[in-house]
Amino acid sequence: DQQVKQNSPSLSVQEGRISILNCDYTNSMFDYFLWYKKYPAEGPTFLISISSIKDKNEDGRFTVFLNKSAKHLSLHIVPSQPGDSAVYFCAASEWNNNDMRFGAGTRLTVKP
Amino acid sequence: GAGVSQSPRYKVAKRGQDVALRCDPISGHVSLFWYQQALGQGPEFLTYFQNEAQLDKSGLPSDRFFAERPEGSVSTLKIQRTQQEDSAVYLCASSRDTGELFFGEGSRLTVL
Repeated sequence: DQQVKQNSPSLSVQEGRISILNCDYTNSMFDYFLWYKKYPAEGPTFLISISSIKDKNEDGRFTVFLNKSAKHLSLHIVPSQPGDSAVYFCAASEWNNNDMRFGAGTRLTVKP
Repeated sequence: GAGVSQSPRYKVAKRGQDVALRCDPISGHVSLFWYQQALGQGPEFLTYFQNEAQLDKSGLPSDRFFAERPEGSVSTLKIQRTQQEDSAVYLCASSRDTGELFFGEGSRLTVL
């Protein structure tokens, strides 16, 4: 049973524009959410996180929004750069729970 | 090294062979996780160690899968009598706590 879903397998945007990656979850006990970025032949690397007590967390060009009532989070990248091209995984867990669930990933391509 | 190191990077095994995959976590990280990532999917949780104690092995798909971390540092994931459905990338991750995970590059297993 897939508790974290990323329904868009791919996304293509122009350099300088906004990239919006979406993620939905089904488990209402999840209260800690993370985004990981993965380049080919490398392991995922942590990008940004948010806990359920917040609805927004910003780090430079990256902002994560959380809508708990809709069980939805999104990652905004502004402005998008060609180096942002990668697969982005959404992950969720209950606080201090080791069983972190991942979405299937969205491949982002930023065109120069 | 500074990051999580996994070996071998690539392993081809004949069906029925036993394989062992090694993970060297970041020094000082007490938590260590193994994930299985099938093609086009997100990482799926296999097992979790805190120091040398295996606290959760609920994600191991069968009793052919066995993991150990005898001295609380290096971990080995062993798969006995490999099957074709075991073909995947096996990711190891470590963390100081159960928040942000630092992933290795993965070991790609192909079972013929």
